Amino acid sequence: GAGVSQSPRYKVAKRGQDVALRCDPISGHVSLFWYQQALGQGPEFLTYFQNEAQLDKSGLPSDRFFAERPEGSVSTLKIQRTQQEDSAVYLCASRDPSNTEAFFGQGTRLTVV
Amino acid sequence: DAKTTQPPSMDCAEGRAANLPCNHSTISGNEYVYWYRQIHSQGPQYIIHGLKNNETNEMASLIITEDRKSSTLILPHATLRDTAVYYCIVRVRGTGGFKTIFGAGTRLFVKA
Repeated sequence: GAGVSQSPRYKVAKRGQDVALRCDPISGHVSLFWYQQALGQGPEFLTYFQNEAQLDKSGLPSDRFFAERPEGSVSTLKIQRTQQEDSAVYLCASRDPSNTEAFFGQGTRLTVV
Repeated sequence: DAKTTQPPSMDCAEGRAANLPCNHSTISGNEYVYWYRQIHSQGPQYIIHGLKNNETNEMASLIITEDRKSSTLILPHATLRDTAVYYCIVRVRGTGGFKTIFGAGTRLFVKA
C-alpha cells in the first residue's frame, strides 16, 4: 500500500475487555515499531520487530500487552483485560531496509470506559 | 541514551522563518539528530536528519553546532499548515537495532 495502515481507527472497549489492534506496514519494510501516545504527550516506544522476530519489547508496560508479527508483515498489538490507563493512541511505524526514516500510520485511538 | 531538550511551545508569523531549537548535550559521536513533526490527529512525519553537517531538503534545513550539542530546525517560510508538534530526537541503538525515542516536543503555532 501507499503508507502504513492501522485498524480500527477508533476503538471503545469496556474495562476488562481484550482488544486487538492491527498494523499493515509498507510493503518491503522489515522493521516495525509500536508506540503508545497519551493525550498531550509524545509517543512512547513499546516494541520493535525485525521481520517476524520481536527484538525489543522493553517498552511494553505490563504482561497484559502482547505483540506479534508471525509472517514478518502484518502486526497485531493485543491488550488483555484493558484498564482505563490503557486509553491512548497506539501508533505503528515501519522502516525500510536502508534504515533511515520511519513512516507512521495514523494510529488507533483506544478509549477504555 | 542521549536526551533532548526543547521549548514546550513557540509562535511564528505566517511567511516568516520558524527556528526551532534543540539541546542534546549528551549526544555521542555516532548518534544522528532526527526531526519529526506531528499534526493534530495524525502520526508523526519525518522531516530531516543529520550527523554533523548542515542539511537541507524540500521541507526544512537542519543546522547542527560544531560541538553537536545543539541543533536548530528551520522552516524557511512557515505556513498555517506547519502548525504542529515538532520532535527533536537522537536516534539510539536499542536491543536489535535503532529505535526512535520521542520527547515532549515543541508545539509550534503559526499565526496569520
